[in-house]
Amino acid sequence: GQSLEQPSEVTAVEGAIVQINCTYQTSGFYGLSWYQQHDGGAPTFLSYNALDGLEETGRFSSFLSRSDSYGYLLLQELQMKDSASYFCAVPMDSSYKLIFGSGTRLLVRP
Amino acid sequence: DTAVSQTPKYLVTQMGNDKSIKCEQNLGHDTMYWYKQDSKKFLKIMFSYNNKELIINETVPNRFSPKSPDKAHLNLHINSLELGDSAVYFCASSQPGSFYNEQFFGPGTRLTVL
Repeated sequence: GQSLEQPSEVTAVEGAIVQINCTYQTSGFYGLSWYQQHDGGAPTFLSYNALDGLEETGRFSSFLSRSDSYGYLLLQELQMKDSASYFCAVPMDSSYKLIFGSGTRLLVRP
Repeated sequence: DTAVSQTPKYLVTQMGNDKSIKCEQNLGHDTMYWYKQDSKKFLKIMFSYNNKELIINETVPNRFSPKSPDKAHLNLHINSLELGDSAVYFCASSQPGSFYNEQFFGPGTRLTVL
């Protein structure tokens, strides 16, 4: 079966750096995606890693280690608007299907 | 211009009723999806259509029936609604060509069954 594990909740202070981890178990692996969802809103795509290493996009970076079946989302210079839920997701072979983790709720405090 | 739109945004109904949710995307994508997000925010795929053809049908009660009249539209009809159907339903679309498969989500329909 396929499973992804994330911490349920993370709290950090405005201006700080926070890391949200994701470990996965899949029968095949094609990459790791991250989505952000604000309360009452829709999930929006943040990043995708197919290869090992760090991908940086502004204040957000995403890391993947295929050998460890592990990835993380790194958020720098945290802002209040970053308070949201963050989901890791993996595509399932060629069926267009995404399996989502249970989500990590990030609370940014002043 | 809204990329993926859903109607209605809120739906409150009684147990046993039948209801429909509509979804439209103007991104020109070939693939559309329905997801259910429960109260614990767990996001689970229900169905997927590629160019009007059903390609993913998860273990969903057959009270749920998707219909895709064309590749820009994917509707969800639910018969004999039950309390456990209360959730937020998201429509999404993507243009698969690689496993990148960025999905674009609609604003969601919050269904409450009383």
